[in-house]
Amino acid sequence: EPEVTQTPSHQVTQMGQEVILRCVPISNHLYFYWYRQILGQKVEFLVSFYNNEISEKSEIFDDQFSVERPDGSNFTLKIRSTKLEDSAMYFCASSIQETQYFGPGTRLLVL
Amino acid sequence: QKEVEQNSGPLSVPEGAIASLNCTYSDRGSQSFFWYRQYSGKSPELIMSIYSNGDKEDGRFTAQLNKASQYVSLLIRDSQPSDSATYLCAVNSGAGSYQLTFGKGTKLSVIP
Repeated sequence: EPEVTQTPSHQVTQMGQEVILRCVPISNHLYFYWYRQILGQKVEFLVSFYNNEISEKSEIFDDQFSVERPDGSNFTLKIRSTKLEDSAMYFCASSIQETQYFGPGTRLLVL
Repeated sequence: QKEVEQNSGPLSVPEGAIASLNCTYSDRGSQSFFWYRQYSGKSPELIMSIYSNGDKEDGRFTAQLNKASQYVSLLIRDSQPSDSATYLCAVNSGAGSYQLTFGKGTKLSVIP
């Protein structure tokens, strides 16, 4: 069964550094998403991407964040200058329409 | 502000019993509703989706939706210890948006 994959599974970085989180969505899916989950809190929407452009973004998704689909398979989330409060699990998801399937996540720790 | 509310639990049920998980949402225009299961440290795993008022059954799981009451529930029959997890209710407001708003989840513990 096709799955969303994400790399790396864990990332440790210093405050102020740039990080890139990578995702390979399910191959025939058209919509791609990033969500985050701070430890002990709810899953929060960051951004959705369709037809090579951002379709929606939340208040969390400020100028420090960007997304890109650099080729036909990868979907990336870049955080330009990480803050301590960016420490969280980041989940990529993809969908054909409404029903979203989540990847295993990247645990980001900002020191 | 769209809100999705769930009782955080923990909800403890004996093995073989029915577990009942509830969720309310604030956006009356919401159109799509999802239940995800999340094991500790893992990602949300889709269990069921429901779009219309009434019941939808899939194996041991039944989702129930009442749009007038802005209420969605998940019943798990013949609960197994492997069902022990946090169950997340997620709502999509529709109107061209596929953004999901999640509740905090209900932690279910099935006691052998």
